[in-house]
Amino acid sequence: GEDVEQSLFLSVREGDSSVINCTYTDSSSTYLYWYKQEPGAGLQLLTYIFSNMDMKQDQRLTVLLNKKDKHLSLRIADTQTGDSAIYFCAVHSGGYNKLIFGAGTRLAVHP
Amino acid sequence: EAGVTQSPTHLIKTRGQQATLRCSPISGHTSVYWYQQALGLGLQFLLWYDEGEERNRGNFPPRFSGRQFPNYSSELNVNALELEDSALYLCASSSGRRNTEAFFGQGTRLTVV
Repeated sequence: GEDVEQSLFLSVREGDSSVINCTYTDSSSTYLYWYKQEPGAGLQLLTYIFSNMDMKQDQRLTVLLNKKDKHLSLRIADTQTGDSAIYFCAVHSGGYNKLIFGAGTRLAVHP
Repeated sequence: EAGVTQSPTHLIKTRGQQATLRCSPISGHTSVYWYQQALGLGLQFLLWYDEGEERNRGNFPPRFSGRQFPNYSSELNVNALELEDSALYLCASSSGRRNTEAFFGQGTRLTVV
């Protein structure tokens, strides 16, 4: 079945770049997403990328997609303490119209 | 414009009872999705409703059910509650079946004691 995997934890220093990685198995995925969840809150859609794109940039966020390796990454430039949260990778399972989520990567930003 | 709203924000039930969770999608959105976020298990797909019909369901027992009303709001019902049903239940809506952008509500935290 479909699976999405992420590393569970990342710690970075304030001002550095963060890179959160994700791998997936469903090669038919057409849309791939990054969501952010702050403590006690729901999920906030950060950005998404179509499967026919290699890269998408949106202010401090850069998404890279390697479709051959089924690898998605989210780079956050100039990471701030407000970026501390759990980041979920999700892929759209077109056949069933549902989002398959990874377990989430907890990003901790320290001074 | 209002986002996806869920009620209640917190719900405490005892084992064996029934819980009803509600979701109002973003205006104009016809698809509603329900996800369960249990501690340590990530987000698991529960149900998808579109235009009033159940279109897909995840790997959950039949005691998890729901419906979508003519105004596209939705209800999730969990019968015969078990302790492991304790979780954050998230609702999302999108503008159509392609689910290209799904927006989430803040969730309902269900605690079963």
